[in-house]
Amino acid sequence: EAGVTQSPTHLIKTRGQQVTLRCSPISGHTSVYWYQQALGLGLQFLLWYDEGEERNRGNFPPRFSGRQFPNYSSELNVNALELEDSALYLCASSLLGGVGHKAFFGQGTRLTVV
Amino acid sequence: SQQGEEDPQALSIQEGENATMNCSYKTSINNLQWYRQNSGRGLVHLILIRSNEREKHSGRLRVTLDTSKKSSSLLITASRAADTASYFCAHTGTASKLTFGTGTRLQVML
Repeated sequence: EAGVTQSPTHLIKTRGQQVTLRCSPISGHTSVYWYQQALGLGLQFLLWYDEGEERNRGNFPPRFSGRQFPNYSSELNVNALELEDSALYLCASSLLGGVGHKAFFGQGTRLTVV
Repeated sequence: SQQGEEDPQALSIQEGENATMNCSYKTSINNLQWYRQNSGRGLVHLILIRSNEREKHSGRLRVTLDTSKKSSSLLITASRAADTASYFCAHTGTASKLTFGTGTRLQVML
């Protein structure tokens, strides 16, 4: 069974540009989480989608947005990129909103903003 | 912030020794989980303990949970060089989102 897949694996963008990151959850998983991990730091919660709806949002500006498609895959969009957006972006999926269910992570997308 | 804190931030031990990491959190929880991350890659789930459980074992891992103190500990016994990684605790509460702690970087030396 395929795990959580993220694309692309690495990305270099210029400040001010826009980027879209993609995540395919494990088959049967309806919840998708997005996290930002700056170098050497912990995971900061970005967004949680379940059954196509945004369920919760972390403390990030509106230029961070996303959506979940009917097949439960998800996109994370970041507009007007800033240097401090450089980070590893991790996607995770779980069966039901993380409550009582472990999350399975993709390998992440390493975004570098120059 | 609801983010938990982990202690120590970094831990260096010799192979064969035990490693203990602690995690504190601020809110009521449904469960607490521990994850492992190898050098900036995806996280791997290690163990989940529910809020009504006090201790759980999985192989060389032992997790305790004290909800009165809002804390948990992860013990890795007989550590190996391959255990070198960052370890994170994560919890779900009423908002159901999975909130991670700041992590402990474990270095196991040969």
